Amino acid sequence: GQQLNQSPQSMFIQEGEDVSMNCTSSSIFNTWLWYKQDPGEGPVLLIALYKAGELTSNGRLTAQFGITRKDSFLNISASIPSDVGIYFCAGLNYGGSQGNLIFGKGTKLSVKP
Amino acid sequence: NAGVMQNPRHLVRRRGQEARLRCSPMKGHSHVYWYRQLPEEGLKFMVYLQKENIIDESGMPKERFSAEFPKEGPSILRIQQVVRGDSAAYFCASSPSRDTQYFGPGTRLTVL
Repeated sequence: GQQLNQSPQSMFIQEGEDVSMNCTSSSIFNTWLWYKQDPGEGPVLLIALYKAGELTSNGRLTAQFGITRKDSFLNISASIPSDVGIYFCAGLNYGGSQGNLIFGKGTKLSVKP
Repeated sequence: NAGVMQNPRHLVRRRGQEARLRCSPMKGHSHVYWYRQLPEEGLKFMVYLQKENIIDESGMPKERFSAEFPKEGPSILRIQQVVRGDSAAYFCASSPSRDTQYFGPGTRLTVL
């Protein structure tokens, strides 16, 4: 089945630093989504990407849909303590009976004040 | 606009009992998805439903697990005769079409 490789697995950074994480796949997706999950909560949608090559920002977050449709990255600029959490990428193909998200294993972000 | 609602947030069951997890999608959303998450793992797809229909159940075990999304009321994920391996967080997501999915807070199931 389809799999997503998300890296890095974890990051320890200083407050104010920029962060970059990415996801790659062996197969193409129609949509890439980035979520953040806090302990004990559900994933919260950060950014949705619908077109190859698309670059989208949401405040300090920027994400891009790779031109090959097999990868995506997420950047966080000037990190703050509340950025702590687990970030997941997810790929979506919709067609026929499909519609489910394929998730990466997550990047755990720790921010030192 | 209220988000996706799930209840209960925490559920404890003994082996052999039944677990019922409920999900109310966002207003106007007719597509519901159920996912399961083990500790330190990403979410794994279980089943996709659209009002009164199961569209894709390829990720759901064929034994003991069932899901429904009736015309009226919430979507239900039912696990019969639970075993310890069923302990996990179960998340529901909804979408207005087969597109961006919004997640609920999850139900944490513990099987004793």
